[in-house]
Amino acid sequence: GQSLEQPSEVTAVEGAIVQINCTYQTSGFYGLSWYQQHDGGAPTFLSYNALDGLEETGRFSSFLSRSDSYGYLLLQELQMKDSASYFCAVTQGGFQKLVFGTGTRLLVSP
Amino acid sequence: SQTIHQWPATLVQPVGSPLSLECTVEGTSNPNLYWYRQAAGRGLQLLFYSVGIGQISSEVPQNLSASRPQDRQFILSSKKLLLSDSGFYLCAWSVPVSTGELFFGEGSRLTVL
Repeated sequence: GQSLEQPSEVTAVEGAIVQINCTYQTSGFYGLSWYQQHDGGAPTFLSYNALDGLEETGRFSSFLSRSDSYGYLLLQELQMKDSASYFCAVTQGGFQKLVFGTGTRLLVSP
Repeated sequence: SQTIHQWPATLVQPVGSPLSLECTVEGTSNPNLYWYRQAAGRGLQLLFYSVGIGQISSEVPQNLSASRPQDRQFILSSKKLLLSDSGFYLCAWSVPVSTGELFFGEGSRLTVL
């Protein structure tokens, strides 16, 4: 089987840095993705790590350690609009089957 | 550019009634197609995925079925809805290689009463 674990909720203030962790247990691991979902909306893709290391995209960075079955999403210079749920997802198999974690709700306050 | 549409956006159905949700993708060919369900405040549960016409993989035994009658059309169905079928249903597409990126439709919110 497979499982992904994330904290259920994280709070931070504007301008701060927050890290959302994800640990996973799965077979056939190809990579780890991160998605953002605002209330009532559809998830949108943020980043993908297939290899160990850090990937940076603007204010967002994502890290993967395959040996530790662990990754994280780092959000810098937080803005109010970053308040949303964030999901990690594991790609299983070469044909892009994604299994999602339970999500982390990020609340950014002024 | 590629677009994905799913409908209806919202529906309220009585227990025991049938269901049909439809999803179409434009601007690409031979996409992978997916149906996910999200319960309120919860994660995304993969229901079905398809790598080609008529090829459906089911992830969770349930009251639902899926079909792919055309390359860019994906349909989610039920003959008799249960209360537990309520949720936010999301269709998605991807290219058929590992990029980790899914493109989601706007979602269909189903309430079964």
